[in-house]
Amino acid sequence: GAVVSQHPSRVICKSGTSVKIECRSLDFQATTMFWYRQFPKQSLMLMATSNEGSKATYEQGVEKDKFLINHASLTLSTLTVTSAHPEDSSFYICSARDPEGRGNTGELFFGEGSRLTVL
Amino acid sequence: QKEVEQNSGPLSVPEGAIASLNCTYSDRVSQSFFWYRQYSGKSPELIMSIYSNGDKEDGRFTAQLNKASQYVSLLIRDSQPSDSATYLCAVKGDDKIIFGKGTRLHILP
Repeated sequence: GAVVSQHPSRVICKSGTSVKIECRSLDFQATTMFWYRQFPKQSLMLMATSNEGSKATYEQGVEKDKFLINHASLTLSTLTVTSAHPEDSSFYICSARDPEGRGNTGELFFGEGSRLTVL
Repeated sequence: QKEVEQNSGPLSVPEGAIASLNCTYSDRVSQSFFWYRQYSGKSPELIMSIYSNGDKEDGRFTAQLNKASQYVSLLIRDSQPSDSATYLCAVKGDDKIIFGKGTRLHILP
């Protein structure tokens, strides 16, 4: 399957600081990437859809000014958590569709995830 | 609101037995269905996808889909301790994939 890489895998920061997470498609071009957040023992919640060369589409309830998404190239999307607070501590996972998927049925492949802890 | 429902478990199955995981979904127009395995602290890993009614087999895994009943299941034969994980059911609607909360599976040695 397609390879998606995410960095950093773990990050600890102080309240009020900003943290950037990178998501790269290693062996394919991804015009669209998806950012999920997962709290302990909860399911993945879609935060936003990252579109190369245009603005991200945010899900209801997700603050676009707090979670900045940039998709400047076909292989890189970044999520910046601005002015982080302890309640932002979570597991953030990016994903991209299988480029070989049939039509609109392409499976999602996930990055390794980034565990953010805000002190 | 589109939903994907799973029993959270834990589901305990003896080693070597068949583990049966179930999932229901609310959006009738869904066309693509996936099962992901997630180990604790790791990101999900795709193990099966199914698009049409019936069974799809891949090694020890069999996915079953019944669109009329809005039901999808995953069978794991000859369960191994390494199968112990949380299994996420995912359903693709318009363009988004909605995940269930997952079922924790525990294979008893």
